[in-house]
Amino acid sequence: GAVVSQHPSWVICKSGTSVKIECRSLDFQATTMFWYRQFPKQSLMLMATSNEGSKATYEQGVEKDKFLINHASLTLSTLTVTSAHPEDSSFYICSARDSRTTEDEQFFGPGTRLTVL
Amino acid sequence: AQSVSQHNHHVILSEAASLELGCNYSYGGTVNLFWYVQYPGQHLQLLLKYFSGDPLVKGIKGFEAEFIKSKFSFNLRKPSVQWSDTAEYFCAVNAAGTYKYIFGTGTRLKVLA
Repeated sequence: GAVVSQHPSWVICKSGTSVKIECRSLDFQATTMFWYRQFPKQSLMLMATSNEGSKATYEQGVEKDKFLINHASLTLSTLTVTSAHPEDSSFYICSARDSRTTEDEQFFGPGTRLTVL
Repeated sequence: AQSVSQHNHHVILSEAASLELGCNYSYGGTVNLFWYVQYPGQHLQLLLKYFSGDPLVKGIKGFEAEFIKSKFSFNLRKPSVQWSDTAEYFCAVNAAGTYKYIFGTGTRLKVLA
């Protein structure tokens, strides 16, 4: 149980275009999901907390208009990188928290590698 | 603000050697602690976690970690590493009752066959 998927696993796009990444909890409901960014050889940095049915909470320094988050259902959150630029190239990882438990554990997706040309 | 430090950035060991990776955090309240492993080209996998109780936690693949509250530490150990343990290891902390994880910078372990 507690499986999180991401789609696509990798994407290459041209500068100026927008890219949408999906994060799904496959066998549990997640009122809260998280989006992280991982630069090469670096750690995961939390970008935002996605809350089902309400606005996402962004970490300091993360542009809300650049990284649009939608958590429209209990099993799906999407991250849209708008007007992507080469500096947005990174590994984006989502995680989800099982709504049925009170534990603080998060379950991580496999990540999406974004390359902006 | 919370922070997590992993002092060993790169570790190289021979097979059968013992492993200890350091993790220290800064936060005065109750915390939950995690160790994750990321094998090359793969996603994060949970090795072990500590929420409360026995401070010596046993995880998968022969790993264990000890929570020492007085030292704000949660070091990861394995008595005898294998070549397949080559991976990057991340320590993570969150303040109990919150959902936000703070990750350490990671330790890249290479085990020589």
